[in-house]
Amino acid sequence: AQSVTQLDSQVPVFEEAPVELRCNYSSSVSVYLFWYVQYPNQGLQLLLKYLSGSTLVESINGFEAEFNKSQTSFHLRKPSVHISDTAEYFCAVSPSGAGSYQLTFGKGTKLSVIP
Amino acid sequence: NAGVTQTPKFRILKIGQSMTLQCTQDMNHNYMYWYRQDPGMGLKLIYYSVGAGITDKGEVPNGYNVSRSTTEDFPLRLELAAPSQTSVYFCASSYSIDPRDRDTDTQYFGPGTRLTVL
Repeated sequence: AQSVTQLDSQVPVFEEAPVELRCNYSSSVSVYLFWYVQYPNQGLQLLLKYLSGSTLVESINGFEAEFNKSQTSFHLRKPSVHISDTAEYFCAVSPSGAGSYQLTFGKGTKLSVIP
Repeated sequence: NAGVTQTPKFRILKIGQSMTLQCTQDMNHNYMYWYRQDPGMGLKLIYYSVGAGITDKGEVPNGYNVSRSTTEDFPLRLELAAPSQTSVYFCASSYSIDPRDRDTDTQYFGPGTRLTVL
């Protein structure tokens, strides 16, 4: 079984400042890792994912996350946030290989960007 | 492609009433899922299906039923609504049967159904 811990439920940050949203996971098997974003009153959208290969993955809108196996972490970072980044962010994990469709989500982190 | 569509968007039920939440995907995905999202709790898997005619329980299946008669549709049934079922319900799909699809591990979500049971 897997579990995901998002250490911060809410993160306020000023516009153009950097941000880090923390995610730690627990699993007895190899995993795939995901970050999903949920804008107000919308469904979840995939932001980025780690399946294999380079441990640093990037999204098209400037976010990046690094898979750290030794620390079992997959923190999400952005060097300069915009108002439009205000949303809730969910970290998720699934076992790699068989059963990889079984996503386990964290409780989410609400990012509020302050003008 | 419309992706994953859900109806209705909002619904208010009285205790004991029943209803069906509809979910349709047009991406030819094998796998479909139902989640509920409660404030501060993230998403919990209710049921999932790995193909037409095959369904299985997730983490929180009590009080719900599903069926999967076609690849496209995965309705969720509430038989006797209870206040504890007040939540936002999301349907998702994944795993295209097209072997050229490199995005098989990504779940695509619908816009959600906000259900209130009074």
